[in-house]
Amino acid sequence: DAKTTQPPSMDCAEGRAANLPCNHSTISGNEYVYWYRQIHSQGPQYIIHGLKNNETNEMASLIITEDRKSSTLILPHATLRDTAVYYCIVTGNYGGSQGNLIFGKGTKLSVKP
Amino acid sequence: EPEVTQTPSHQVTQMGQEVILRCVPISNHLYFYWYRQILGQKVEFLVSFYNNEISEKSEIFDDQFSVERPDGSNFTLKIRSTKLEDSAMYFCASSEGGVGTTYNEQFFGPGTRLTVL
Repeated sequence: DAKTTQPPSMDCAEGRAANLPCNHSTISGNEYVYWYRQIHSQGPQYIIHGLKNNETNEMASLIITEDRKSSTLILPHATLRDTAVYYCIVTGNYGGSQGNLIFGKGTKLSVKP
Repeated sequence: EPEVTQTPSHQVTQMGQEVILRCVPISNHLYFYWYRQILGQKVEFLVSFYNNEISEKSEIFDDQFSVERPDGSNFTLKIRSTKLEDSAMYFCASSEGGVGTTYNEQFFGPGTRLTVL
């Protein structure tokens, strides 16, 4: 089962920041937080990942709390094309495993004009 | 930009038939995966493959399933005797490294929709 809890849906106005929360209270020290999204029925798309520190790339920012029990994905200026299901996934290198992705139900983000 | 490709985009088959789903991962990637998504449900991990062998598989990946990297560029998923419940979108993914390495994000293909009648 997924190790994360996300709200089932959120709305965001176009041009505004979208802040998507994720709880992962049972995360262990060697586990990473990954974010993916799935637009309609396309293949999931990688967004960002982090271990302890906050991360930023051209798509988004990831804020991880100091105790690592929760995180927030920030899309700074949401567009209509950001409408998708967003998945927060905790995974790690478990004795040689490549850290396979266990998807939950995610958050359906609807960006509205 | 390099991408994962999958063929066919849609496969229709009769129950009990064998199907082979094909994937071409990104060329310098070393880790390969199959996932599936039944309509309206979550994406589910099936199997991971590295160094020409299965690294990990889920409970879904039973003896009816097999994977192969036949020629250094293709990565295939075979279902020996399809069942109605195998109807789903099958996604192939690849990554340059595993979790904990620098380039470990998984790139997904567009999927093959398998319909079993």
